[in-house]
Amino acid sequence: DVKVTQSSRYLVKRTGEKVFLECVQDMDHENMFWYRQDPGLGLRLIYFSYDVKMKEKGDIPEGYSVSREKKERFSLILESASTNQTSMYLCASLVPRGENQPQHFGDGTRLSIL
Amino acid sequence: AQSVTQLGSHVSVSEGALVLLRCNYSSSVPPYLFWYVQYPNQGLQLLLKYTSAATLVKGINGFEAEFKKSETSFHLTKPSAHMSDAAEYFCAVSEGFQKLVFGTGTRLLVSP
Repeated sequence: DVKVTQSSRYLVKRTGEKVFLECVQDMDHENMFWYRQDPGLGLRLIYFSYDVKMKEKGDIPEGYSVSREKKERFSLILESASTNQTSMYLCASLVPRGENQPQHFGDGTRLSIL
Repeated sequence: AQSVTQLGSHVSVSEGALVLLRCNYSSSVPPYLFWYVQYPNQGLQLLLKYTSAATLVKGINGFEAEFKKSETSFHLTKPSAHMSDAAEYFCAVSEGFQKLVFGTGTRLLVSP
């Protein structure tokens, strides 16, 4: 089974802090994704990566950056946390063989910015 | 750009009743469609995915979905709801780099 592990289930940080959310997958997947989930809005793509050191902006990249130094690890960085970044963050990965491969998700990090 | 519309943010059924969760998509090319389920405090789990091989797709836990091109729909059904089906359900369509565009989700409530 594919395992996508997010380092924290719950995280509380203060406004202005630099916040790191970590995601690791164990299946040698090329593509990795970061989403945020908000009630009534579904999941929205923040950033994705299709290879080591490669990154692409998603639909809502403002206030975020990412890092992918190793294939198995994809980090989401909040440069200066703000209260409107309080949300559930979900990481996913997939191997892009064929057109409709499913994404595999971690259990999420619920981040509160005070 | 692709988009997905899920009608009804909440659907309530009684245990044993039919479950119907609606999903309509907008796509200029043949779509790759998925249904995911999210149980409380968990990530998303794949229920089923559409392949062009068949319009009726069977998934896990007794769920199935029917692709109707003429209606641009991919509704999710289950003949008989179980208490354990209470969760949030997301319809999604795949676009470039196999990114997913999600609907806003439907919370299924099952009463005894």
